[in-house]
Amino acid sequence: ELKVEQNPLFLSMQEGKNYTIYCNYSTTSDRLYWYRQDPGKSLESLFVLLSNGAVKQEGRLMASLDTKARLSTLHITAAVHDLSATYFCAVSLDFGNEKLTFGTGTRLTIIP
Amino acid sequence: DAGVIQSPRHEVTEMGQEVTLRCKPISGHDYLFWYRQTMMRGLELLIYFNNNVPIDDSGMPEDRFSAKMPNASFSTLKIQPSEPRDSAVYFCASSSRDRVPEAFFGQGTRLTVV
Repeated sequence: ELKVEQNPLFLSMQEGKNYTIYCNYSTTSDRLYWYRQDPGKSLESLFVLLSNGAVKQEGRLMASLDTKARLSTLHITAAVHDLSATYFCAVSLDFGNEKLTFGTGTRLTIIP
Repeated sequence: DAGVIQSPRHEVTEMGQEVTLRCKPISGHDYLFWYRQTMMRGLELLIYFNNNVPIDDSGMPEDRFSAKMPNASFSTLKIQPSEPRDSAVYFCASSSRDRVPEAFFGQGTRLTVV
């Protein structure tokens, strides 16, 4: 059974600081996704990582994937308040079928 | 495209009543997923369809839950009879094998069973 673990579960950080969220998974896969969820809202796709060594960046967020270590990271650079949200990683095992197993989520709060 | 559309957005019902949640996937997508989100269990997959055919319903919690996809543009998730522990946010998502390998989520239905 595929297990996806995220840490930390909660993260409170000051504006301008850098931090990293970690996502570990238990079964070999080269398909990993990061989503953002604002309170009471849906899940917004941030990154799709499809191969070992994949790195994608959008604004202050950068995601990477190490399939050998079964690890993905979401790095936040110079955090701003607008990044406050819950971030989920999710893993898919089946090519062409985005049946996702989600991590527990990381609730990020950026303090001015 | 309007994205994945779910209705209703909010549903409050009494225990024992039947509840039907609806989903319209993105046009052209051949996979449809139903997820449930709760504080205790997080996001969990209930069932998914490929080309309108149910493929894996192992996540459906009990026989009280059923899902159908009569055509490529419509799916329902039914709970009968509903119980307070069914209270959750239910998300529908769709994806396509032939496009970007990414699942797009609807706005969700917040179900409260009292």
